[in-house]
Order: sequence, then structure tokens, then C-alpha cells
Amino acid sequence: DIQMTQSPSSLSASVGDRVTITCRASQGISNYLAWYQQKPGKVPKLLIYAASTLQSGVPSRFSGSGSGTDFTLTISSLQPEDVATYYCQKYNSAPRTFGQGTKLEIK
Amino acid sequence: EVQLVESGGGLVKPGGSLRLSCAASGFTFSSYSMNWVRQAPGKGLEWVSSISSSSSYIYYADSVKGRFTISRDNAKNSLYLQMNSLRAEDTAVYYCARGGMIYGDDWFDPWGQGTLVTVSS
Repeated sequence: DIQMTQSPSSLSASVGDRVTITCRASQGISNYLAWYQQKPGKVPKLLIYAASTLQSGVPSRFSGSGSGTDFTLTISSLQPEDVATYYCQKYNSAPRTFGQGTKLEIK
Repeated sequence: EVQLVESGGGLVKPGGSLRLSCAASGFTFSSYSMNWVRQAPGKGLEWVSSISSSSSYIYYADSVKGRFTISRDNAKNSLYLQMNSLRAEDTAVYYCARGGMIYGDDWFDPWGQGTLVTVSS
């Protein structure tokens, strides 16, 4: 099975900072990669699909890139409301594995 | 508005059974694959199972294979997860999530609010 590994596991940054989270697949998955945001106590929310397509309603400060095995989620200017745990997920085939998550906090 | 509402969670003893339901509304349920995802307390997301729109394709995580059964009733716009031989490590919030209409667009959106399953004696 393909493993999904995120880094870092946790991250502290200041408001206005550019933040990058990476996700690596143990085998190539083309662009079948989604990113989700889960705020504390809330339901996960889709941010990006097909590695780089922004879901409707998601602020444009979020962006995704990558293909094959290496992917990134970037927040161009961190806002207080972005405090959350972020997960990547491969969805091309089962098992539709999630990364272990990256917890983002404000410094 | 697309909505998914889970029910059926609760406290069950190890070795027991539970059936989760997910009621869908606001979209053509029979056109979409559906999924179950769980999250143990303080832990990350774990994919559990997926079912295609017509139930032709069904997949399970190794951790639940042989114990859990996913099913759907397109006439009732409902998704189910029958959980047998429950273990303490199955304790989690269980979410249902909509998948895609065709192969290749199977990201999960939206998600239900979740239902808590606690396995304890």
C-alpha cells in the first residue's frame, strides 16, 4: 500500500507568514491528491483537490502544487483563522490513505 | 444544500456490534460513491471504507476487513456501516463523506458531523 507522509507534524508561524506543508507519497499517484483542513472541534473540510484545484469558497491564500510523489500546501499569508490541522489524502485507489496531519499554530 | 447526517453511535462492549447510518440530502445520492472515515480521540483521520454508486465496488481498510460491512440503499438515500466484533481500538468519531461521480474525482466532500462510537466494558 502507498504511504502518505506529511512534514512537519507541527508548525508555529506568525500572522502574515508564508507557510508550506509537504506531503510525500511512497509511490507515484499522479495528481490524485487532496488537502483537508480540520479546525479544533470541527468537521474536516476540503481545501484542494487534484493537487492544485482550489475548492469553491476557499480563500485564495491557499494553494497546492505537485505531482507524482511530492506535494505542497501553501498559505501565502497566514491568518488567525487558519489555526487547524491539515491532512493530505490520496484518492486514486483504495486504500484512500490520509497523511498523519500537520498541526498549525500561531506564534 | 448538500447534507450528510450520521446516527447510530454509542457505547458498546468489546465483541459487540453496532450499525451506523448516514442520511444524505441535497444531491443525487445514487450518482456518488460514499465513504466512511474515522478519527480516534486526539488522533488523525483514518479511511475506513468506500462504496461505489451502484455498490459494485467496495473497499475496506485492513484494520476493519472481515469485521465491518459497508452498504447503501439508494432508494432511501442512505449509507450504512455494520460493525461487528468491535474492539477498543475502534473507538472513534465516524464520519461519512461523499466521494465522486466518476473515477478520478473521489475526493471527500462534504463530510457529515460525525457519530461517536465508544467500545468499552
